[in-house]
Amino acid sequence: GESVGLHLPTLSVQEGDNSIINCAYSNSASDYFIWYKQESGKGPQFIIDIRSNMDKRQGQRVTVLLNKTVKHLSLQIAATQPGDSAVYFCAEFASGYSTLTFGKGTMLLVSP
Amino acid sequence: DAGVTQSPTHLIKTRGQHVTLRCSPISGHKSVSWYQQVLGQGPQFIFQYYEKEERGRGNFPDRFSARQFPNYSSELNVNALLLGDSALYLCASSFTGGNQETQYFGPGTRLLVL
Repeated sequence: GESVGLHLPTLSVQEGDNSIINCAYSNSASDYFIWYKQESGKGPQFIIDIRSNMDKRQGQRVTVLLNKTVKHLSLQIAATQPGDSAVYFCAEFASGYSTLTFGKGTMLLVSP
Repeated sequence: DAGVTQSPTHLIKTRGQHVTLRCSPISGHKSVSWYQQVLGQGPQFIFQYYEKEERGRGNFPDRFSARQFPNYSSELNVNALLLGDSALYLCASSFTGGNQETQYFGPGTRLLVL
């Protein structure tokens, strides 16, 4: 299928490595953040979310860190697998708004 | 459980034509949002509907319109298609479309305008 990742930053890792994908956001009023995974030809798939009253949240093999001081999010994927290869987007809700604003995305390539 | 469904999956149109895209939300969800995703970029918000009322509109021309039906399904209409309208059109649903409410996406409709 066609790639959704043209001209996107790319992170290449080996299977089994830990991956860290970063995201900077600009709206200091944003108070809810979601990470989505998008495989080629598919819609974004929810991975994990975090609210602004937290600085860390863990899921299965994934951890999201939020640093509100520098307006930075990161997604950590443990023991990365080839099936994790996709484009990853961070998305934010500004306080009082119900629409998502997406970041530019990062393509993760996992080699066996 | 069925997720968000969209139809058609792919569509080819020519400039000047109009198109109607359809979306069915997750059962129990009353809000639908539409996004446009151009190749290589993140999705951009077009519309949000809740209980058949437009709740929000992104920075898109009036050629774009939408509506929501009593069963919470939704249609996105685009008139006078331009080449630049070629994109993946995504529908997302949530319970009420409120702030801090996760939105779940469908597979999208790939529109190509020639």
